[in-house]
Amino acid sequence: EVQLVESGGGLVQPGRSLKLSCAASGFTFSNYYMAWVRQAPKKGLEWVATISTSGSRTYYPDSVKGRFTISRDNAKSSLYLQMNSLKSEDTATYYCARLGGGYAYYFDYWGQGVMVTVSS
Amino acid sequence: DIQMTQSPASLSASLGETVTIQCQASEDIYSGLAWYQQKPGKSPQLLIYGASSLQDGVPSRFSGSGSGTQYSLKISSMQTEDEGVYFCQQGLKYPHTFGAGTKLELK
Repeated sequence: EVQLVESGGGLVQPGRSLKLSCAASGFTFSNYYMAWVRQAPKKGLEWVATISTSGSRTYYPDSVKGRFTISRDNAKSSLYLQMNSLKSEDTATYYCARLGGGYAYYFDYWGQGVMVTVSS
Repeated sequence: DIQMTQSPASLSASLGETVTIQCQASEDIYSGLAWYQQKPGKSPQLLIYGASSLQDGVPSRFSGSGSGTQYSLKISSMQTEDEGVYFCQQGLKYPHTFGAGTKLELK
């Protein structure tokens, strides 16, 4: 059974940093692209970052580019999101997700999510 | 960026009723479309990928269709457990973008 378990969320002041982790199990982690998707309270879904199987390629939307860094450790079947210079608009539930697809990608498994609140 | 426009924003349906949700992309996405269901307090779950392929374990009353810029999700017979919010998502180009969601309630 595919499982994705996020951790590391919490309350952080604007301008500070936070690192999220996602522990994966039930599949060969190193074979899949992985991603982070977030959802602000009572809002829709926003893709945050994607990383290739080896970690050599990463992708971000403009809203987080230069502030967030996605990384992975295939030996530990773990995904990470380093978030720097946090803003109030980064307040959201952050989901770790596995990517499926070939010519077009979709999120086939999701974690339970972890809440990040950016506030003074 | 590719914009995804969903309609309607909300709807209510009776048990057994057929429900259709629409999603329009701002450019051709070549069937690179997925649909998700999200129930309150839960993470989204994949229903449909590649515009019309049913994810394993998803009931067959769910189906997807469309091409080019126009796509739709159909629930052939509304059930109680189908209440929730439905999102479409394009995965053809970065940034991957989602529709704003359609809230489906039981009438």
